[in-house]
Amino acid sequence: DTAVSQTPKYLVTQMGNDKSIKCEQNLGHDTMYWYKQDSKKFLKIMFSYNNKELIINETVPNRFSPKSPDKAHLNLHINSLELGDSAVYFCASSQEGRLAAYNEQFFGPGTRLTVL
Amino acid sequence: GQQVMQIPQYQHVQEGEDFTTYCNSSTTLSNIQWYKQRPGGHPVFLIQLVKSGEVKKQKRLTFQFGEAKKNSSLHITATQTTDVGTYFCAGCSGAGSYQLTFGKGTKLSVIP
Repeated sequence: DTAVSQTPKYLVTQMGNDKSIKCEQNLGHDTMYWYKQDSKKFLKIMFSYNNKELIINETVPNRFSPKSPDKAHLNLHINSLELGDSAVYFCASSQEGRLAAYNEQFFGPGTRLTVL
Repeated sequence: GQQVMQIPQYQHVQEGEDFTTYCNSSTTLSNIQWYKQRPGGHPVFLIQLVKSGEVKKQKRLTFQFGEAKKNSSLHITATQTTDVGTYFCAGCSGAGSYQLTFGKGTKLSVIP
């Protein structure tokens, strides 16, 4: 009964490979996010989807492509992995309403990506 | 764009001492949220402040939102080893906005 789940938990791969990280939430939320947390623990938003539509796309390389098959899933595909992509990637979800008071975010456990 | 500054970046305290982390935004916020991330864990929501001058308490934790809604603080009284982790503030700039801007966090170490 995990609220926000991510797979895999760990991902070790070679430079140049393509990989995907999956995220699912069972909270019935409308909005899902991808964050990148680097070695200094800075949490930076990458993408946000609301009801399967992209609403935030921060300045990330276009090697990163999010895909939302339905509002419970938001996957992240990364092409041509680089050393600098090594980080922990967190998926999160929230229920948006007319009032900002309803946008507490629930985070997944994270995927630690290591690019060799 | 909106920036949220958080200080200090690190804080080491003796168990039983108090701890405070401060957050400042470059713009007026509609609300501010606080999260705690334990070592090796994921951010977990602690609280949300919405009203100007709001003060909320959770046991030994006291959260404040400034009158101008541009700053906030989290104060922990008599720290315990279970308080160890990184505390993040995150500001939302407008009602219905989907984007939280996170501060860089304050990493708290508690020496037993």
